[in-house]
Amino acid sequence: DAKTTQPPSMDCAEGRAANLPCNHSTISGNEYVYWYRQIHSQGPQYIIHGLKNNETNEMASLIITEDRKSSTLILPHATLRDTAVYYCIVRDPGTASKLTFGTGTRLQVTL
Amino acid sequence: GAVVSQHPSRVICKSGTSVKIECRSLDFQATTMFWYRQFPKQSLMLMATSNEGSKATYEQGVEKDKFLINHASLTLSTLTVTSAHPEDSSFYICSARSDGKNIQYFGAGTRLSVL
Repeated sequence: DAKTTQPPSMDCAEGRAANLPCNHSTISGNEYVYWYRQIHSQGPQYIIHGLKNNETNEMASLIITEDRKSSTLILPHATLRDTAVYYCIVRDPGTASKLTFGTGTRLQVTL
Repeated sequence: GAVVSQHPSRVICKSGTSVKIECRSLDFQATTMFWYRQFPKQSLMLMATSNEGSKATYEQGVEKDKFLINHASLTLSTLTVTSAHPEDSSFYICSARSDGKNIQYFGAGTRLSVL
C-alpha cells in the first residue's frame, strides 16, 4: 500500500473548519483513501473513505485532488470533542485488507 | 456505524498468568478481524490477521505461541496473551472488517497491565 505523509500537529479554533491535509503521491489506481481518528485512550473511529470523487457524510468531507496524489479531510465546524489524532491511510480493498497506521496528525481544537 | 465490542476494557494481572481478550462484531458479520497493539505515544502496530475458521496470520516479530488467536465464528475473535510479562503491558485493540463493506471498525481497546 502507498505511504502517506501528514503534518504532525494542527490547531483549530472551535466552530471553525478544520482542514487536515494528506499526501499520497505514490497512490495506485485501485487504492482508496481512508480516514480514521483516535481520541485519547480509545480505539480508532472510522470517518470516511473515497477513491477519486469527493465524499461527504455526517462527520466530515473528503476532498481528493484530480491526480489523487493528495487529499484533505474537512471537519466543517470543529468542536472540542474533535480533538484527536487523525490518520490518513491508503489501501487497496482488494488485497489483504490490513490497515497500516502512520503517525497521523494530532488536531487540537481550542476555545 | 457498525459496532465492535471489546472486553475487558482494562485488566491487571500477575506475571506468568494468561489473559483472554474478546472482540465481537455486534451488528455485522466479519470473516476477518485484526489485532493491534499500541504502546504509549506510538501508533497502532498490527499484530495479526484473524480469519474465521482458519489459522491467524501473524506479523513479523509477533510470537504466535504467546499471542493465541481464535476466530471460531463470524462475530467473535479472541486474543489470549499467554504467560504474560510486564513487557506485554500495552493497549490491545481489535478491529473487524465488515463483509458487506470494505471498512474496518475498531473496538474500544483493552489496557493490559502486567505486574
